[in-house]
Amino acid sequence: DTGVSQDPRHKITKRGQNVTFRCDPISEHNRLYWYRQTLGQGPEFLTYFQNEAQLEKSRLLSDRFSAERPKGSFSTLEIQRTEQGDSAMYLCASSLVHSQETQYFGPGTRLLVL
Amino acid sequence: DQQVKQNSPSLSVQEGRISILNCDYTNSMFDYFLWYKKYPAEGPTFLISISSIKDKNEDGRFTVFLNKSAKHLSLHIVPSQPGDSAVYFCAASGPTSGTYKYIFGTGTRLKVLA
Repeated sequence: DTGVSQDPRHKITKRGQNVTFRCDPISEHNRLYWYRQTLGQGPEFLTYFQNEAQLEKSRLLSDRFSAERPKGSFSTLEIQRTEQGDSAMYLCASSLVHSQETQYFGPGTRLLVL
Repeated sequence: DQQVKQNSPSLSVQEGRISILNCDYTNSMFDYFLWYKKYPAEGPTFLISISSIKDKNEDGRFTVFLNKSAKHLSLHIVPSQPGDSAVYFCAASGPTSGTYKYIFGTGTRLKVLA
């Protein structure tokens, strides 16, 4: 197992377009997280799944954002009608079920909205 | 409201010397703390963690110290190597931060000079 993978690594889109990112977690990990990182900031929590259930969503996640994890394995994050302010690095992390389990991050998808 | 703060945006250290990176937090309910290292265009890589029941955790050249009364943690790297040059993020989680999500600081850019 090579860790958490994300696809694509880079995405350039025009304002108003929809984009979808994919995350494949470490295979035995049943928790999956999405974070967003902008320049000069640390990662900020967006949403979290335990298996296929989405258990928490940040207020940062506007109604243009939707995340799914249909079979409790990979997850997708879709942004509809992208805006320039959506430009950021989108990070996925996974962990085992434990209150203090370390989260392992993927390489991220860098989104640029023109 | 920045619950996790890294007040030094950058730090330069000579190779072979000790690097000390600092992190302060405001939420006394945080009970798990981590340090991540991030290279450009990559996701954060887990370095070391500490539970609030401990005040020190060591892993090779890396040691994390936790001072709960001061709500302060630090990462010591001894000896520092040029390959340690990266951005270091501290992160915290706990019952009140939400369901296992991490709250990250803004990062400290470490440069180890050869």
